[in-house]
Amino acid sequence: EAGVAQSPRYKIIEKRQSVAFWCNPISGHATLYWYQQILGQGPKLLIQFQNNGVVDDSQLPKDRFSAERLKGVDSTLKIQPAKLEDSAVYLCASSLSWFWSTNEKLFFGSGTQLSVL
Amino acid sequence: AQSVSQHNHHVILSEAASLELGCNYSYGGTVNLFWYVQYPGQHLQLLLKYFSGDPLVKGIKGFEAEFIKSKFSFNLRKPSVQWSDTAEYFCAVSNTGFQKLVFGTGTRLLVSP
Repeated sequence: EAGVAQSPRYKIIEKRQSVAFWCNPISGHATLYWYQQILGQGPKLLIQFQNNGVVDDSQLPKDRFSAERLKGVDSTLKIQPAKLEDSAVYLCASSLSWFWSTNEKLFFGSGTQLSVL
Repeated sequence: AQSVSQHNHHVILSEAASLELGCNYSYGGTVNLFWYVQYPGQHLQLLLKYFSGDPLVKGIKGFEAEFIKSKFSFNLRKPSVQWSDTAEYFCAVSNTGFQKLVFGTGTRLLVSP
């Protein structure tokens, strides 16, 4: 089974520059998540999509972060302008639905490691 | 707001030693509980989960966890660790039904051969 694909794997930028990350979820998965994992911390949910609609973006710093999932499949997460504290691994995850059931689980991608200098 | 505490940030064990990683959560309602593992260079994978029923849940690779509601705890255990268990382990919680996971800060486990 193909997993969640993310690119790029690594990105180094200077502060105030912009950056974009791409995620392709598992085929057929309606729900897509972006998490931010800062070194030494657990992943923190930034935004959750159900198909192409936003379910939860309460922890997304909307002044600089944006995300879209226009066709309900791929998603991009953008940071503009980047700050030093944005250095982190950005994880994408997907699941069949947004509601837990016994057999439901999240599948995570390998992440994009962002370094802001 | 929900929060998850993992007491041990780094654990070093010898092969065949027993493992117990602590996890406590704060939330007054009904929760779903999870343990995820991240092996070096790999993505997060689900080890086990608790939704309801038997509070002792068994997961992959010989891991198990016990949900103790009165202590708000969901500790991970393995009777005998292997070198291949070297990884970072994350406890996570969500409200019943909704898939918004709140993760702990993780525990790095190093198993020496």
